[in-house]
Amino acid sequence: QKEVEQNSGPLSVPEGAIASLNCTYSDRGSQSFFWYRQYSGKSPELIMSIYSNGDKEDGRFTAQLNKASQYVSLLIRDSQPSDSATYLCAVRSSGGSYIPTFGRGTSLIVHP
Amino acid sequence: EAQVTQNPRYLITVTGKKLTVTCSQNMNHEYMSWYRQDPGLGLRQIYYSMNVEVTDKGDVPEGYKVSRKEKRNFPLILESPSPNQTSLYFCASSLYRDSHNEQFFGPGTRLTVL
Repeated sequence: QKEVEQNSGPLSVPEGAIASLNCTYSDRGSQSFFWYRQYSGKSPELIMSIYSNGDKEDGRFTAQLNKASQYVSLLIRDSQPSDSATYLCAVRSSGGSYIPTFGRGTSLIVHP
Repeated sequence: EAQVTQNPRYLITVTGKKLTVTCSQNMNHEYMSWYRQDPGLGLRQIYYSMNVEVTDKGDVPEGYKVSRKEKRNFPLILESPSPNQTSLYFCASSLYRDSHNEQFFGPGTRLTVL
């Protein structure tokens, strides 16, 4: 059973702070890692993907991957109230169905 | 516009009345899948399809059927809905070629079974 674990939160940060979201996964064969943002009642939308160890930056978002520790994280710099949402970590293996396994999500609240 | 569409967006029905939720994508994606999302349980995969006429069970397939007669369409069928199938359902699609491709999600269908 492939598992993806996330702290459900809520994680509450003040506006302008750095929000740090974490995800661990059980399948060592995992190759692709995704962070989706989901507003309440809406569909998930992809914000970051990462495939290699290290950091990947895109605007205010940085994804960090450590395959040895089976750990992936998302940092949001200069957090804004509009970043308040649930963040889903998704992990996909190189073989099998290619369908990713999702974590349960972490709720982020950015307060003014 | 590249998109995944689902219909209906909202549905209230009664126990035992067969229903179908349609899903269509216009991106020529091989992979399509259905998820249900429940509070505290996250996104759980119901069924997926790797191509036309190829479908397989996900994590929670009981009570559901799917078909993939055409590449663009992947309907979800509830033959005899029950209240525990009340949920938010998402259809998603992605390219086949490698594991790096993102999934594109439809807008969701909120189903209530009374």
